[in-house]
Amino acid sequence: DVKVTQSSRYLVKRTGEKVFLECVQDMDHENMFWYRQDPGLGLRLIYFSYDVKMKEKGDIPEGYSVSREKKERFSLILESASTNQTSMYLCASSFRKYNSPLHFGNGTRLTVT
Amino acid sequence: EDKVVQSPLSLVVHEGDTVTLNCSYEVTNFRSLLWYKQEKKAPTFLFMLTSSGIEKKSGRLSSILDKKELFSILNITATQTGDSAIYLCAVEWYKGSTLGRLYFGRGTQLTVWP
Repeated sequence: DVKVTQSSRYLVKRTGEKVFLECVQDMDHENMFWYRQDPGLGLRLIYFSYDVKMKEKGDIPEGYSVSREKKERFSLILESASTNQTSMYLCASSFRKYNSPLHFGNGTRLTVT
Repeated sequence: EDKVVQSPLSLVVHEGDTVTLNCSYEVTNFRSLLWYKQEKKAPTFLFMLTSSGIEKKSGRLSSILDKKELFSILNITATQTGDSAIYLCAVEWYKGSTLGRLYFGRGTQLTVWP
């Protein structure tokens, strides 16, 4: 069974802090994704990666960056956290380029005060 | 504007009822439509539909896609309290040579009362 692990379940940070959200998958998947989920807005794609050191912007990349130094690990970075980045962050991975279901981690609920 | 629209946004039923959840989409370069169930934590995959008119079934859940009318339905028969969750519809589209990307709907919150 695919396992996608996000390092923190809950995180509280102050405005202006640099924040790292870590995600690791154990199934040798090529593709990894970061989404945020907000009530009433659904899941929105922040960034994704289809290979080590490759990354592409999703629909809402502003204020975020990512790092993929190893195949199994995909990190989301908030360079200077702001209160409007308070959200649930979900990491996911998939095997094939398309027609391949996403496998999600349990999420990190980030609160920025 | 939303590219994937789910309805209703919330639904309350009693155990044993049958429910139908709707998902309509407006996406170019369509590849597939996926349904997920989300309880407290990670969304879990239910179905992936790529062809019109072919029903996918798993226990009491079934789903079908209409690519001409651009919609899908998810049916749950004989509902149980364990079916209470948010049901997410997502459409995979294809842009250039990189991988498929998903647009998600806002979800349907289903509550099943005993």
